Amino acid sequence: ETGVTQSPTHLIKTRGQQVTLRCSSQSGHNTVSWYQQALGQGPQFIFQYYREEENGRGNFPPRFSGLQFPNYSSELNVNALELDDSALYLCASSPYPTRQQETQYFGPGTRLLVL
Amino acid sequence: AQRVTQPEKLLSVFKGAPVELKCNYSYSGSPELFWYVQYSRQRLQLLLRHISRESIKGFTADLNKGETSFHLKKPFAQEEDSAMYYCALTGNTGNQFYFGTGTSLTVIP
Repeated sequence: ETGVTQSPTHLIKTRGQQVTLRCSSQSGHNTVSWYQQALGQGPQFIFQYYREEENGRGNFPPRFSGLQFPNYSSELNVNALELDDSALYLCASSPYPTRQQETQYFGPGTRLLVL
Repeated sequence: AQRVTQPEKLLSVFKGAPVELKCNYSYSGSPELFWYVQYSRQRLQLLLRHISRESIKGFTADLNKGETSFHLKKPFAQEEDSAMYYCALTGNTGNQFYFGTGTSLTVIP
């Protein structure tokens, strides 16, 4: 069983650009959640996908969007980047939406810097 | 609004001393509470969840619905417990997840 992987590890963009971050979930995990973690803060829930449909969303604007594919990979897309989007972006996978029985497995994160 | 509060950003204790990391929450419903831990250079990982009523690495946490708290406790801290600890909450459907700001625990030898 392989762990959760994310790419790239680091990324530098300029304000106004668009970025795509990628995540590969553990095999058999139908749920992926994305989080934004600013420096010194806890992870902030962006959204969750379950079987390729958005299943829940945090307090993030529509320019944050996602996709989930049948091969357990997923993407986080951010349009019109702002300086405040600079953060560590984490994805986490689990077999089902994170109810009490399910553990989320986190990836190592992608560090995004917006200049 | 759902919120998880960890009042201490930094906590230092001596090896062998008891440790308590505080977590308070607000949630309009029946939440599920978790503690996640991140050791140096490692990924965020689940430490324990209240529904399991388990002790992991000597840590326990009791959900107190009256005080809306889920404090993490260990009677005798070890050096390997030094890490960042996050309290987290999810609701009935599990499709939203809320983390606190974290407490950095340092166990002094």
